[in-house]
Amino acid sequence: AQSVTQLDSHVSVSEGTPVLLRCNYSSSYSPSLFWYVQHPNKGLQLLLKYTSAATLVKGINGFEAEFKKSETSFHLTKPSAHMSDAAEYFCVVSGRAGYSTLTFGKGTMLLVSP
Amino acid sequence: NAGVTQTPKFRVLKTGQSMTLLCAQDMNHEYMYWYRQDPGMGLRLIHYSVGEGTTAKGEVPDGYNVSRLKKQNFLLGLESAAPSQTSVYFCASSDPGQYNQPQHFGDGTRLSIL
Repeated sequence: AQSVTQLDSHVSVSEGTPVLLRCNYSSSYSPSLFWYVQHPNKGLQLLLKYTSAATLVKGINGFEAEFKKSETSFHLTKPSAHMSDAAEYFCVVSGRAGYSTLTFGKGTMLLVSP
Repeated sequence: NAGVTQTPKFRVLKTGQSMTLLCAQDMNHEYMYWYRQDPGMGLRLIHYSVGEGTTAKGEVPDGYNVSRLKKQNFLLGLESAAPSQTSVYFCASSDPGQYNQPQHFGDGTRLSIL
């Protein structure tokens, strides 16, 4: 069994300040972890993925995430927010290799103010 | 690059009507998935397919049927639509691999049942 908890439903930042979106997971297997972003009226776009290689994963648009097994966390960060980062972000876990059925968090809405 | 294409983008149905949502992918992926997205719920898996001619139930399969007659297409059917099926439906596809491969999503079908 696997699950993922996104600790904040909404996060508000000012443009140019750091972003932190928190995610905790549980999995019976060695997990694969993903962050997806969804802009309004769009599908989900992959930001980055962790698959047991480097624990610090770099993604697109300046985002990165660190896998911490001891804390069962996979938090998403960005040093400096941009207005275009405003969107909903989903943390996703998949614990079984082969067919990849995913378990999604409930999402965190990132609001960026000027 | 078409990727994953969903048809239609919007639809309004009356209770009891039937319809089929079409998903087409041009990436030659083996695996395809149907999800529904409801506010505050993240994405929940309805059905999936690990290859042409195969389908399997996901987390919330009741009231839906699927078919995968061709590798590139995955159809989602509602035999008798109910208001509880008002949602945004997303199709995704991916390839098998040693580690779980990321899923590629369409832009969604917004379905309202009156």
